[in-house]
Amino acid sequence: DAGVTQSPTHLIKTRGQQVTLRCSPKSGHDTVSWYQQALGQGPQFIFQYYEEEERQRGNFPDRFSGHQFPNYSSELNVNALLLGDSALYLCASSLGGGQNIQYFGAGTRLSVL
Amino acid sequence: DAKTTQPNSMESNEEEPVHLPCNHSTISGTDYIHWYRQLPSQGPEYVIHGLTSNVNNRMASLAIAEDRKSSTLILHRATLRDAAVYYCILSPQWGGYQKVTFGTGTKLQVIP
Repeated sequence: DAGVTQSPTHLIKTRGQQVTLRCSPKSGHDTVSWYQQALGQGPQFIFQYYEEEERQRGNFPDRFSGHQFPNYSSELNVNALLLGDSALYLCASSLGGGQNIQYFGAGTRLSVL
Repeated sequence: DAKTTQPNSMESNEEEPVHLPCNHSTISGTDYIHWYRQLPSQGPEYVIHGLTSNVNNRMASLAIAEDRKSSTLILHRATLRDAAVYYCILSPQWGGYQKVTFGTGTKLQVIP
């Protein structure tokens, strides 16, 4: 049973560019959450998708957007990249209606130069 | 969002028990207490969760104070593989979409 998979594992971009990160949830999970983790910090909640809609959002600007597909996979898009967007981006999946036990992927390391 | 407070770091000797504390004085009656840990270069990993009663699983035990304003994660015999950052978070029960707040966690060092 595959767990949460994220791609790519590493990415280097320059300021002003756009990036798309991808996540496949654990089999049977229908809810996907995205987190940003700066070095030495805990993960910060970006947003959560369920039934292809954004259900909750953290304190992130509109440059951060997402999408969930009918197969429950998800994308995180970041426009107009800033140096401060350099971080580990984590995807977590869970079962909607459950006790929100989240299963995390290994993350995508984004470096903005 | 309800917040949790944890010590920044703790040390333990290998094969000794470890008690990791967490304060959550603003917890609501419908919040579950979840613990995750993050090993270097990995995403967080679920450890255990509970609502009111103490809980045990193969990884750890969770002791919840009677007033629910604090909890303690107990690793019965620390191993070198338990060296990680441990996060205590509050997660609302189903009924609302769940915005979860991680703090900075407790970095556990296990000494051989």
